[in-house]
Amino acid sequence: QKEVEQDPGPLSVPEGAIVSLNCTYSNSAFQYFMWYRQYSRKGPELLMYTYSSGNKEDGRFTAQVDKSSKYISLFIRDSQPSDSATYLCAIIQGAQKLVFGQGTRLTINP
Amino acid sequence: GAVVSQHPSRVICKSGTSVKIECRSLDFQATTMFWYRQFPKKSLMLMATSNEGSKATYEQGVEKDKFLINHASLTLSTLTVTSAHPEDSSFYICSARDWTSGRSGGTDTQYFGPGTRLTVL
Repeated sequence: QKEVEQDPGPLSVPEGAIVSLNCTYSNSAFQYFMWYRQYSRKGPELLMYTYSSGNKEDGRFTAQVDKSSKYISLFIRDSQPSDSATYLCAIIQGAQKLVFGQGTRLTINP
Repeated sequence: GAVVSQHPSRVICKSGTSVKIECRSLDFQATTMFWYRQFPKKSLMLMATSNEGSKATYEQGVEKDKFLINHASLTLSTLTVTSAHPEDSSFYICSARDWTSGRSGGTDTQYFGPGTRLTVL
């Protein structure tokens, strides 16, 4: 079983829709969870950083961690065409090693 | 957020030559940097962890003599692909660990460079 699993999509939604991106992870000991956004041919950009359980909100983005089900989510409200990118979830595995999900390609259609 | 740069952004070289890629943290010091490789439409795969002043730690399956890493200062790490071959063609991305302490627990995050696209002919 992979440590982090993510549906690669692609996911296509109309502008203004609420987007839900999800990952599952295997080890209940993981405590730090990240979401990165990567535009084509660019390096990943950190969007959200969450420690342990609960929600974290930043503007149109909300990150959610459910440790009981080992499920992490990223919600994007009022989605914009500029949100079109690949979104990668990641966990920190000891010694600061990041383990990434496969990434979900998201397209927001005007 | 913190800024990490990479140079060059793109390089094309002949098979058998060596290529050096630089990774710099511009506005913070990074005792730890990481090197990743990414194939088209795939996720990032960690190649090695670079620690300032000590030897890099390589992930299983990554040849340390093929991918030489040097972390000579708190703001610079280099990756040298030696005797490059076409199968080494890929997108190489570095990240730098930014750790700061604080009253609320501080932060411990990685910031990524823009990547270097290597094409070996």
